Amino acid sequence: GAVVSQHPSRVICKSGTSVKIECRSLDFQATTMFWYRQFPKQSLMLMATSNEGSKATYEQGVEKDKFLINHASLTLSTLTVTSAHPEDSSFYICSAWDSHSNQPQHFGDGTRLSIL
Amino acid sequence: RKEVEQDPGPFNVPEGATVAFNCTYSNSASQSFFWYRQDCRKEPKLLMSVYSSGNEDGRFTAQLNRASQYISLLIRDSKLSDSATYLCVVNENSGYALNFGKGTSLLVTP
Repeated sequence: GAVVSQHPSRVICKSGTSVKIECRSLDFQATTMFWYRQFPKQSLMLMATSNEGSKATYEQGVEKDKFLINHASLTLSTLTVTSAHPEDSSFYICSAWDSHSNQPQHFGDGTRLSIL
Repeated sequence: RKEVEQDPGPFNVPEGATVAFNCTYSNSASQSFFWYRQDCRKEPKLLMSVYSSGNEDGRFTAQLNRASQYISLLIRDSKLSDSATYLCVVNENSGYALNFGKGTSLLVTP
């Protein structure tokens, strides 16, 4: 079964709307969560790394004021796309990692965001 | 970060064929290597980890050449259900983000 739950799976909304995406680790504590974005026919690109209880580290070219990340607990991280525009339409996917295990990262199911 | 390079394909092969994908990576500090499978509009799913000694899982064989910074995936006896995009993935250690290649598209035809 899924060990990382990502919600919602699909969002369609108007330009200017803010959209929140949740990523939950279901049966382990995720010390680190990663947020990726994938445009059509492109590879997954890392947007930011979030560690529980601290500020996220953003990759170059990713606006931290536009993509707000909160990792307030060991099982939940949220990504909020503020004032979304059509160019933000993409597939957003989180992954979670437990530093106490030797397991690879677990991915959420992804969120397909479409801004009209 | 364009650290992982793959031939995008597409590879069109008949059922039962053997097909091989290659991947190169640029970061010599990379420690972990994986092949993921991604179906259209879905999240990537781990297919197999790749070890220096090479490893096999059923019809799938992965090889790693650290000296050449090269990873391969061999699929034998291709099935229709193998049609997907195969992503070569590396990272420095478990706590670091994964670096994805763009993927190689495979289409297995009847």
